[in-house]
Amino acid sequence: DTAVSQTPKYLVTQMGNDKSIKCEQNLGHDTMYWYKQDSKKFLKIMFSYNNKELIINETVPNRFSPKSPDKAHLNLHINSLELGDSAVYFCASSPRGQRYEQYFGPGTRLTVT
Amino acid sequence: KNEVEQSPQNLTAQEGEFITINCSYSVGISALHWLQQHPGGGIVSLFMLSSGKKKHGRLIATINIQEKHSSLHITASHPRDSAVYICAATPRGSEKLVFGKGMKLTVNP
Repeated sequence: DTAVSQTPKYLVTQMGNDKSIKCEQNLGHDTMYWYKQDSKKFLKIMFSYNNKELIINETVPNRFSPKSPDKAHLNLHINSLELGDSAVYFCASSPRGQRYEQYFGPGTRLTVT
Repeated sequence: KNEVEQSPQNLTAQEGEFITINCSYSVGISALHWLQQHPGGGIVSLFMLSSGKKKHGRLIATINIQEKHSSLHITASHPRDSAVYICAATPRGSEKLVFGKGMKLTVNP
């Protein structure tokens, strides 16, 4: 059984479009995250939710909006996509915060043309 | 300067060699993570530690809180260990995970 799943795995779209990436975890974890990995493979946290409540919101453009309908899901919606948004986006979860082991999804490779 | 620094950035080794990957950080932390990213892109958590030493199979992770330094050791390295190894730290009082830039390891047969 997949612990943390993301859809889609690949997303190719044009500048200006709006797109969403979905994440689901079946581990019963309280905390979920979105990370961005740029072309130099550097990972950076974007958002963190604990029990559907936003607890970390890094300096991410307002075009990025996370939504957590329940504690097993954390979706990422991106408006007005730009070339610089091209990256791999990883969802992750942990039992309760950053002091616990993190479980990563397979990543979504977003390419904006 | 990044709060978490890793060295070396790249390492090539021969199968069977003992490998050490270093990580240093500049802030007080509550936890340190070692992650492995496979060539296919997937990320796996190897260790999470806040003190001392942990061992799992051929992998050993140590942390020295006073020196703000952690090491990941791989004994009897194998080509399947080829991956990027990422160190990440949780600054004390923060819920944020700060990542190092990763170290690409290639183990040749």
